[in-house]
Amino acid sequence: NAGVMQNPRHLVRRRGQEARLRCSPMKGHSHVYWYRQLPEEGLKFMVYLQKENIIDESGMPKERFSAEFPKEGPSILRIQQVVRGDSAAYFCASSPLTVDHSPLHFGNGTRLTVT
Amino acid sequence: DQQVKQNSPSLSVQEGRISILNCDYTNSMFDYFLWYKKYPAEGPTFLISISSIKDKNEDGRFTVFLNKSAKHLSLHIVPSQPGDSAVYFCAAPFGNEKLTFGTGTRLTIIP
Repeated sequence: NAGVMQNPRHLVRRRGQEARLRCSPMKGHSHVYWYRQLPEEGLKFMVYLQKENIIDESGMPKERFSAEFPKEGPSILRIQQVVRGDSAAYFCASSPLTVDHSPLHFGNGTRLTVT
Repeated sequence: DQQVKQNSPSLSVQEGRISILNCDYTNSMFDYFLWYKKYPAEGPTFLISISSIKDKNEDGRFTVFLNKSAKHLSLHIVPSQPGDSAVYFCAAPFGNEKLTFGTGTRLTIIP
């Protein structure tokens, strides 16, 4: 009964490169959320997706960031032309949302370091 | 605009004593609150929740109290154990079940 799987756990990119973060939700969960945690801060909502649909991207930076959750395969958070300020821990969470206020189940995160 | 606030970044408590973690919120539309616990290099894990129709919810050693008039909630852990050392986040859902989190309180249990 695997939980939310994120890979890679650690990712190092040079400024200007692309970062691609993957998230496989828990079995039976069709709702995926991405959060970002900057050092010494709480988690900030970025985007909410269902299969093949972006439901809410109000927390996404306007440029360079995109997310998808295809019909087959994991959800992908893509950051183009990374800058040092993108260094953070990125967490994915999933939910079945069959019941109101189902707690989100989080993965262990991807720690992105931009050098 | 931090709608959920945890004003104590850290707290140290002797093993066996009570740990009290506090959380304030500004949005009176919040009707449900959650506490998550986070160990280093891991994702947050759900701990306990409370609906705004209640003022208390208890689960084993963990109790959450909600004071709606003060827009304040607290998490009580008793007795505190070394394995409780972690960062605790309070959170509230807003629209589409996305969560807004506080900045966290790092709890250290002293053996």
